[in-house]
Amino acid sequence: EDKVVQSPLSLVVHEGDTVTLNCSYEVTNFRSLLWYKQEKKAPTFLFMLTSSGIEKKSGRLSSILDKKELFSILNITATQTGDSAIYLCAVEARDTGNQFYFGTGTSLTVIP
Amino acid sequence: GAVVSQHPSWVICKSGTSVKIECRSLDFQATTMFWYRQFPKQSLMLMATSNEGSKATYEQGVEKDKFLINHASLTLSTLTVTSAHPEDSSFYICSGRTSGRGLSSYNEQFFGPGTRLTVL
Repeated sequence: EDKVVQSPLSLVVHEGDTVTLNCSYEVTNFRSLLWYKQEKKAPTFLFMLTSSGIEKKSGRLSSILDKKELFSILNITATQTGDSAIYLCAVEARDTGNQFYFGTGTSLTVIP
Repeated sequence: GAVVSQHPSWVICKSGTSVKIECRSLDFQATTMFWYRQFPKQSLMLMATSNEGSKATYEQGVEKDKFLINHASLTLSTLTVTSAHPEDSSFYICSGRTSGRGLSSYNEQFFGPGTRLTVL
């Protein structure tokens, strides 16, 4: 059965801390892995990863994929209260209607 | 990024009634639309995948006769919750994606803002 697991489920940190969110997957016919940030409503796209070992970076956020070990990490440095959100990892499968499998999500709370 | 709208953004209905939620891709043609359900503080649960002009593919455990999905055009998909009950109260999110190259090299999906359904 295809699945995507994120850890930790929730995390509380202080402003300025660095956090690492994990996403592991078992998905047949892997195509890509995507990270989303969800605040009050619909998720917003952060990164899409298709190749191992290539870091994607956007400001204080960065992400990398390991296709051999079947996981990805999302790093956030110098966290701010505005980073508080649920971070979702999704894996896209090829040949199954290009379906997306979402992980359980990590709830991040950044306190001042 | 591309824009997907949903209507209504929130709806309250009585138990036993039906509710229709619309999902529109405003500036691209969504060859595939996904419907998700989300409970508070939980991740998105895929309900069904629909391709324009064909029947939706429902995930295991999702009743296709209760959650009717229509994807009649490349810019519109609808989800109708029939004979709604309180346990159907949830946040419903649609997303659209295109198979073409024009929109994005990433072929990502674009989410609507969601519809909050409360069944009394």
